[in-house]
Amino acid sequence: QVQLVQSGPEVKEPGASVKVSCKASGYTFTNYVVHWVRQAPGQRPEWMGWINIGNGNTKYSQQFQGRVTIIRDTSANTAYMELSSLRSEDTAVYYCARDREGSSGYGAFDYWGQGTLVTVSS
Amino acid sequence: DIVMTQSPDSLAVSLGERATINCKSSQSVLSSSNNKNYFGWYQQKPGQPPKLLIYWASTRESGVPDRFSGSGSGTDFTLTISSLQAEDVAVYYCQQHYNTPRTFGQGTKVEIK
Repeated sequence: QVQLVQSGPEVKEPGASVKVSCKASGYTFTNYVVHWVRQAPGQRPEWMGWINIGNGNTKYSQQFQGRVTIIRDTSANTAYMELSSLRSEDTAVYYCARDREGSSGYGAFDYWGQGTLVTVSS
Repeated sequence: DIVMTQSPDSLAVSLGERATINCKSSQSVLSSSNNKNYFGWYQQKPGQPPKLLIYWASTRESGVPDRFSGSGSGTDFTLTISSLQAEDVAVYYCQQHYNTPRTFGQGTKVEIK
């Protein structure tokens, strides 16, 4: 069965960086786009960007441009999201999600990781 | 960015009754090339990630009970739960996947009356 398993919770100080991993199983990893979405407490989900696992192409939300980097390691079936220059407003649960339309990137999100809580606090 | 606006923000419905949630997008999410609405509905329960219920505006995801249905086109969409069950208590979000950034509605909290 399809699974996306994310790394554990993180606590970071303002100005630091965080890197969250998302390990995929149960499907052909390279045939899909993986999205990253965050959700602050009580707020709507917020899309951060995507990576085409097959060719490594990425697209980022303007809101995070310059601070977010998404990469993948196809040998490990794992995608990563790194967010830098953290501030308190970045405290949120971060999710990876698979695009149900494969490598097109223009589908809904059919499988989600369990989420990774990132807390930014001094 | 496409702004997604849901109504109402919350609703309380008796068990077995119908629940209706609306979502409006600030621009059309209907593709003229394939006549598909790039629009979906998600259900989120506390402590869990969102779960895809409906995609292409009206196609039910595999395993989703048939009491959930989606309708609409262009800029106006509706999620209907035909007979509310206790396990349907959750927050429901709409989302457009027409362009980037992908955007979500603010959510509608569904409770039991």
